[in-house]
Amino acid sequence: AQSVAQPEDQVNVAEGNPLTVKCTYSVSGNPYLFWYVQYPNRGLQFLLKYITGDNLVKGSYGFEAEFNKSQTSFHLKKPSALVSDSALYFCAVSLTYNNNDMRFGAGTRLTVKP
Amino acid sequence: NAGVMQNPRHLVRRRGQEARLRCSPMKGHSHVYWYRQLPEEGLKFMVYLQKENIIDESGMPKERFSAEFPKEGPSILRIQQVVRGDSAAYFCASSPRTPTPGELFFGEGSRLTVL
Repeated sequence: AQSVAQPEDQVNVAEGNPLTVKCTYSVSGNPYLFWYVQYPNRGLQFLLKYITGDNLVKGSYGFEAEFNKSQTSFHLKKPSALVSDSALYFCAVSLTYNNNDMRFGAGTRLTVKP
Repeated sequence: NAGVMQNPRHLVRRRGQEARLRCSPMKGHSHVYWYRQLPEEGLKFMVYLQKENIIDESGMPKERFSAEFPKEGPSILRIQQVVRGDSAAYFCASSPRTPTPGELFFGEGSRLTVL
């Protein structure tokens, strides 16, 4: 079975600084990896995904993530944080090409301070 | 193009009552997924439906919970005889006819509070 861990409940950064939200995964095969963002009282929005190919994936709103197979990680990054990036971020992993086996992490709350 | 619509947004029930949560997928989407989000936890998959069919209900509790997605109308998640532990946010997501892995479109959720 696949699982994903987000080791930090909370990440605080100053506006303009780079941000990293960490994610590690555990699967018995080749993973499909995803990042979603949830703004207050809203549903999750898809940010980016890794399926195959280039380990550096670029997504919405200037976010990117790097797939590292040796470290089983898929950290979310952004070079320069905005206050509007403050939200809850979820990492997810799937083993198949189906959505119903996607497993989400517990989420990391990102706060960007002016 | 309207997104995934869920209602009610907030629902309060007393223990033992029934809760019905509705989800209308995005136009053109025929796949619906229900997730539950408990406080301070990630989303837990509950059930995956296509029109008139339950494809995967492996995440659904065996008792009191049921889901349907009729030919006409929204998908319904039904919780009978609610208990306090059912208090959570329930999210519906949809995807197009040919699922694209990971690109789920989520509704804003229905927050159930059981008194």
